[in-house]
Amino acid sequence: GQNIDQPTEMTATEGAIVQINCTYQTSGFNGLFWYQQHAGEAPTFLSYNVLDGLEEKGRFSSFLSRSKGYSYLLLKELQMKDSASYLCAVLDSNYQLIWGAGTKLIIKP
Amino acid sequence: IAGITQAPTSQILAAGRRMTLRCTQDMRHNAMYWYRQDLGLGLRLIHYSNTAGTTGKGEVPDGYSVSRANTDDFPLTLASAVPSQTSVYFCASSGLAGTDTQYFGPGTRLTVL
Repeated sequence: GQNIDQPTEMTATEGAIVQINCTYQTSGFNGLFWYQQHAGEAPTFLSYNVLDGLEEKGRFSSFLSRSKGYSYLLLKELQMKDSASYLCAVLDSNYQLIWGAGTKLIIKP
Repeated sequence: IAGITQAPTSQILAAGRRMTLRCTQDMRHNAMYWYRQDLGLGLRLIHYSNTAGTTGKGEVPDGYSVSRANTDDFPLTLASAVPSQTSVYFCASSGLAGTDTQYFGPGTRLTVL
């Protein structure tokens, strides 16, 4: 079967750095997406990785290792507005997105 | 309109009733999708359409139907609602099916009693 694993919840302090991990087992791989979802709102796109390595975009970076079936999202200089759920999703061999349940990130002052 | 709109925002429905959730996009995207999101679970694909005039089944299609008569609209119909269809429903679109980023509508919160 297909499986995406992420921690259910994480807590971090304002101004700090947090790493949210995602491991996956899917039928084929055509890329990995990270989305942010604030409570009661729609998911919004953060990043897309298809090649191994680190993609940096401002305070957010995303890493992919295809051989390990592993990705992480790195958030730097955390702000209170970063409190949200972070969704990992893998594009499988049929080009359908398989979604993890999401990691709820709580930022404390 | 800018982006994707969904209607209604929320709805309480009696079991057995028919319901259509509306989704409209103005980005001229070819591909559109319907997902449901339940607590503790990832988004699950119900139906999709790679281009106007075509539709396909996702992971959880039973009890739902869709149509794609034109590029902009992608309605989702529950023929006879059941309590297990209580969920938040998101419509999404992407330029092309496949690796293009999906953009989501604001969602419809549906409660079936």
